[in-house]
Amino acid sequence: AQSVAQPEDQVNVAEGNPLTVKCTYSVSGNPYLFWYVQYPNRGLQFLLKYITGDNLVKGSYGFEAEFNKSQTSFHLKKPSALVSDSALYFCAVRDRDSGNTPLVFGKGTRLSVIA
Amino acid sequence: GAVVSQHPSRVICKSGTSVKIECRSLDFQATTMFWYRQFPKKSLMLMATSNEGSKATYEQGVEKDKFLINHASLTLSTLTVTSAHPEDSSFYICSARAPGQGENIQYFGAGTRLSVL
Repeated sequence: AQSVAQPEDQVNVAEGNPLTVKCTYSVSGNPYLFWYVQYPNRGLQFLLKYITGDNLVKGSYGFEAEFNKSQTSFHLKKPSALVSDSALYFCAVRDRDSGNTPLVFGKGTRLSVIA
Repeated sequence: GAVVSQHPSRVICKSGTSVKIECRSLDFQATTMFWYRQFPKKSLMLMATSNEGSKATYEQGVEKDKFLINHASLTLSTLTVTSAHPEDSSFYICSARAPGQGENIQYFGAGTRLSVL
């Protein structure tokens, strides 16, 4: 079975400070990992994905995430937070060998960037 | 990135009526689409997987007679909430993925806010 854990319901950070949104996953094989962002009353927007290769993945809006196989983690990071980054962030996973199945999402982490 | 269009964005209806939500992939063919439901401050709950030309696969606990899904073409899937009741009020989001490998991105529609009075 596949699962994703986002241990923090809420993350608060001051504007200009670095931010981290945590994610750990569980799959039986090797994972495809994704991060999405959701603004109020909107669908999810793709930020970045890890498929293979370099463990550090760079995505949209200055976000990046680091795949750590030993810790089964895929934390989202940004060096300098903006107020406009305030939103709901979802981590998602698919097992590479799971066929045509949908992504499995974490419960989401609300990021608040304070000016 | 690819675009998934979802319509309507908001609907208010009386209890007992049926509501149809459309999901279109605008610039790619989606053999598979997914329908999610999101409760306030909660994660996305997968309702069903919609495959073009075949019956949808529903998740456990989702009533297939209540939530009718039709994937009539490679670019269109519809979700019909039949005989809607206030407890069906929610935010419904569709998602589509281009055929191919599993690393393909799932693109999401903007969502439909359903309010049943």
